[in-house]
Amino acid sequence: ETGVTQTPRHLVMGMTNKKSLKCEQHLGHNAMYWYKQSAKKPLELMFVYNFKEQTENNSVPSRFSPECPNSSHLFLHLHTLQPEDSALYLCASSQGATGPYEQYFGPGTRLTVT
Amino acid sequence: ELKVEQNPLFLSMQEGKNYTIYCNYSTTSDRLYWYRQDPGKSLESLFVLLSNGAVKQEGRLMASLDTKARLSTLHITAAVHDLSATYFCAVDMRSGGSNYKLTFGKGTLLTVNP
Repeated sequence: ETGVTQTPRHLVMGMTNKKSLKCEQHLGHNAMYWYKQSAKKPLELMFVYNFKEQTENNSVPSRFSPECPNSSHLFLHLHTLQPEDSALYLCASSQGATGPYEQYFGPGTRLTVT
Repeated sequence: ELKVEQNPLFLSMQEGKNYTIYCNYSTTSDRLYWYRQDPGKSLESLFVLLSNGAVKQEGRLMASLDTKARLSTLHITAAVHDLSATYFCAVDMRSGGSNYKLTFGKGTLLTVNP
């Protein structure tokens, strides 16, 4: 695998379900990011991890819970979501979060909350 | 708060024609990116513009940056159908803490008709 991978690519879940999104980067980067892309809205940064430490939470509701066990893996745990949480969730990685380093994006997980 | 505005948001053009997409941003930044996104796919980095007067070209696309005017343009020359996609500009700058943050425009949906 090369670059940034995300699984699953598509997910349909009910509002009472618990699921997790997974992201893995094979670029040797130290920073990882979660973004949300909704229809007709710009990409919204959700969380930033730098060297496994969370350095930004962009006022994200607690029903989204990130986890970064090491610099290569990032998870987004989902529980009791709302229909308005349906979106494309993109993961990205970069050399570091404290410098203007280019971010490389994964293919995304298309989430539908029913 | 940094604002990034793209226009137009929708662009339908004929093959062989030229057009320009504009990206305005509200405060000084460290670098500006142009991305392409195909339907259901992730973001593909097209250009990174680092300094005032920077111009980069790849095939039928040319991007430029005027930091004094806080304006970047993406010029399309002799459009072909394969260029149909959504194009985003994104501005990278240090946020309130130590992190750099990418702020995206809403995107321009480009449709090139035969």
